[in-house]
Amino acid sequence: QLVLTQSPSASASLGASVKLTCTLSNGHSSYAIAWHQQLPEKSPRYLMRINSDGSHKKGDGVPDRFSGSSSGAERYLSISSLQSEDEADYYCQTWGTGERIFGGGTKLTV
Amino acid sequence: EVQLVESGGGLVQPGGSLRLSCAASAITFSSHAMSWVRQAPGKGLEWVSAIDGDGGTTYYAGSVKGRFTISRDNSKNTLYLQMNTLRAEDTATYYCAKDSNRWYGLTPIDFWGQGTRVTVSS
Repeated sequence: QLVLTQSPSASASLGASVKLTCTLSNGHSSYAIAWHQQLPEKSPRYLMRINSDGSHKKGDGVPDRFSGSSSGAERYLSISSLQSEDEADYYCQTWGTGERIFGGGTKLTV
Repeated sequence: EVQLVESGGGLVQPGGSLRLSCAASAITFSSHAMSWVRQAPGKGLEWVSAIDGDGGTTYYAGSVKGRFTISRDNSKNTLYLQMNTLRAEDTATYYCAKDSNRWYGLTPIDFWGQGTRVTVSS
């Protein structure tokens, strides 16, 4: 069964960079994932999809400070030049014809 | 500007029913598979149900199968979720979300509505 694993929390300083990880369960390392950002008390926002080869496609209006990459079963969301408004929950998600799976989310504190 | 506007949430007793709606604008509605995703208070995101762009095929999470029914009216650009036999554990904010593709499962969610809150309590 496909499971997406995320660290519950991460922290970094203003102006620094951070790399969030989403790990695909055994046997699913070829899957693409999407990253969504949820600001406090707001609805989620689609950031980007990341393929197994590391190529990624960002959503409209997503700043260049956000980028994605991949290594094996891990999919990454990197944020550079951290700003206070980047403090949010970040969820990864897969898709297919079965149930849509979300990771447990990472709470980023800036 | 794309908009997905949910409505229909509220307080309902256990065992009761509720119908959620999601009105879409600025998109060719029938060109997009649509989903409902919920978030219990203080918890993460949980996918609930989805429907292909033509309404021909529906998909459900095991936790709601047999109790919830997703449907759409492409002439009204509106998505629905009929929720029956509601339980306390169905308490959540329910988000309407669209895929970029007409067929469910080919692409991720790429846009979310603002959500509508459902509380199941006596």
